[in-house]
Amino acid sequence: DQQVKQNSPSLSVQEGRISILNCDYTNSMFDYFLWYKKYPAEGPTFLISISSIKDKNEDGRFTVFLNKSAKHLSLHIVPSQPGDSAVYFCAASEGGTSYGKLTFGQGTILTVHP
Amino acid sequence: KAGVTQTPRYLIKTRGQQVTLSCSPISGHRSVSWYQQTPGQGLQFLFEYFSETQRNKGNFPGRFSGRQFSNSRSEMNVSTLELGDSALYLCASSLDRGNEQFFGPGTRLTVL
Repeated sequence: DQQVKQNSPSLSVQEGRISILNCDYTNSMFDYFLWYKKYPAEGPTFLISISSIKDKNEDGRFTVFLNKSAKHLSLHIVPSQPGDSAVYFCAASEGGTSYGKLTFGQGTILTVHP
Repeated sequence: KAGVTQTPRYLIKTRGQQVTLSCSPISGHRSVSWYQQTPGQGLQFLFEYFSETQRNKGNFPGRFSGRQFSNSRSEMNVSTLELGDSALYLCASSLDRGNEQFFGPGTRLTVL
């Protein structure tokens, strides 16, 4: 039972354009969402997060949008740069006693072409 | 501030052996979580420790265990290794539940 889904295995965009990565979830107990970037042979790098009480959070070129009614979040990267090419993971956490547990999507490979 | 460190970075073992992996969290972080990453299953939560206590555990067999020391450093142990245990094992630290987790580079375990 995959509670966090990234339905697009890959995305290709041109440098300078917008990259939009999508993520859907099924568990209504999730109250905190995160995006990570991962290069091969490295651990995931934290990018940006959003609490379920918000619908948008921005940090520089990165913006995360949360639509709770649709159980959907997206990461926008504007403008995209070749250095953004990596695997992007969406993750979610629950409240309550689910200490330290992030549930990850399968990842989306982003390729930004010069 | 130094990041999360994991040792060793690479490990080769044979079936039936046991292995211990080590993780040093970011200074001041008391929560340490462990994850397994495989091509088929993706990133899966193993367990979490806070102040030397395991607070949460994922759906892995009892062969997977861990502990945390008073300085927040953590170890995980896998006994009676199986071929399917070949994976990247990632450690992440955070201040506490609900905060962002920061990952180490991982330990690549190969079981032959």
